[in-house]
Amino acid sequence: EAGVTQFPSHSVIEKGQTVTLRCDPISGHDNLYWYRRVMGKEIKFLLHFVKESKQDESGMPNNRFLAERTGGTYSTLKVQPAELEDSGVYFCASSVAGASYEQYFGPGTRLTVT
Amino acid sequence: GQSLEQPSEVTAVEGAIVQINCTYQTSGFYGLSWYQQHDGGAPTFLSYNALDGLEETGRFSSFLSRSDSYGYLLLQELQMKDSASYFCAVRGGPDTDKLIFGTGTRLQVFP
Repeated sequence: EAGVTQFPSHSVIEKGQTVTLRCDPISGHDNLYWYRRVMGKEIKFLLHFVKESKQDESGMPNNRFLAERTGGTYSTLKVQPAELEDSGVYFCASSVAGASYEQYFGPGTRLTVT
Repeated sequence: GQSLEQPSEVTAVEGAIVQINCTYQTSGFYGLSWYQQHDGGAPTFLSYNALDGLEETGRFSSFLSRSDSYGYLLLQELQMKDSASYFCAVRGGPDTDKLIFGTGTRLQVFP
């Protein structure tokens, strides 16, 4: 069974540009999450999808971040326009219904904004 | 607010036993999970405690005391490959599945 995959693995962009991150969860996992780890600090929640619906957006930092999950399959996270403080590693995770304590994480996308 | 505290770093030698502690302050409690993350890798689920007591999974065990708002991860027969960061995490609340992570503990295993 394939794990959670993320693309790209690394992205370097200039301040003001746009970047789109993609996540493909484990097949059959209705729950999809986005997290971010900045500068070796703790992993922080961004948002949670159940199928195609946003269940919890409480961690989204501001309206420069837009997440979508088309058809309840893969998800994208767009940052527009990017700022320096957006640099970090963005993780996607998925889980089956009722087992949010056991989330399967992807390898992350390392975003560097210069 | 909700917070989880862990020691920043722990060192040990191969074959030894190490305990990584986690104390939490949450409004409500919905279980404690542990994750391992190697440098540059994905966090990987290790263990989960919903009730007080010890859960054993091979060389790793996790303990929870809800009355003390405290848990720990116990790693036995340490191997070099256990060198990684370890995070405790709790569910954010009754109406959310988000995880709130601790500050992380970096474990270094020496030969």
